[in-house]
Amino acid sequence: AAGVIQSPRHLIKEKRETATLKCYPIPRHDTVYWYQQGPGQDPQFLISFYEKMQSDKGSIPDRFSAQQFSDYHSELNMSSLELGDSALYFCASSPRYEQYFGPGTRLTVT
Amino acid sequence: EDQVTQSPEALRLQEGESSSLNCSYTVSGLRGLFWYRQDPGKGPEFLFTLYSAGEEKEKERLKATLTKKESFLHITAPKPEDSATYLCAVQARETSGSRLTFGEGTQLTVNP
Repeated sequence: AAGVIQSPRHLIKEKRETATLKCYPIPRHDTVYWYQQGPGQDPQFLISFYEKMQSDKGSIPDRFSAQQFSDYHSELNMSSLELGDSALYFCASSPRYEQYFGPGTRLTVT
Repeated sequence: EDQVTQSPEALRLQEGESSSLNCSYTVSGLRGLFWYRQDPGKGPEFLFTLYSAGEEKEKERLKATLTKKESFLHITAPKPEDSATYLCAVQARETSGSRLTFGEGTQLTVNP
């Protein structure tokens, strides 16, 4: 069965640089979610999109922005990166209530 | 504010030794309670959704149950491959975006 695809899988950036994470949801899933998971922590909700419109916003820094495109893929843009942004970033997609997670992008900021 | 508390934080079992993981929650109107399994460095893998008190679901050696205040994940005769972190999450009925609020997880280790 098709799963959520995230790219890149690993990303190393320096402080103050920018990063773009991509997410390709499971076909026919119309909702996309982004979560951040720090070392030893549980996933924290950042933002979600339904039918290309932002549907909910969590603890996402103003330095981050995201959008969902006409083909339903989503991108998370992160600017002025800080050391504390180092984490696993997960995308999840949902046909209704259940959320299916991708493999994640491991971002390391040096 | 929605809150989820999982216990214990870590659990070590011998192969075949059954046990239960607990998830206590506070939410303003529960839409659903979700259980996920997460292996190190990987994305959470969906296990179950429970929608109402009294509901039970089973999958292989796992059985999830739900009351109005907590959920249990029962593991029967576990095997070493069941070792992982088990995450519980709630989804509130009032949130328009259906975000999940997670607990901190129970790290399960099953020794052969």
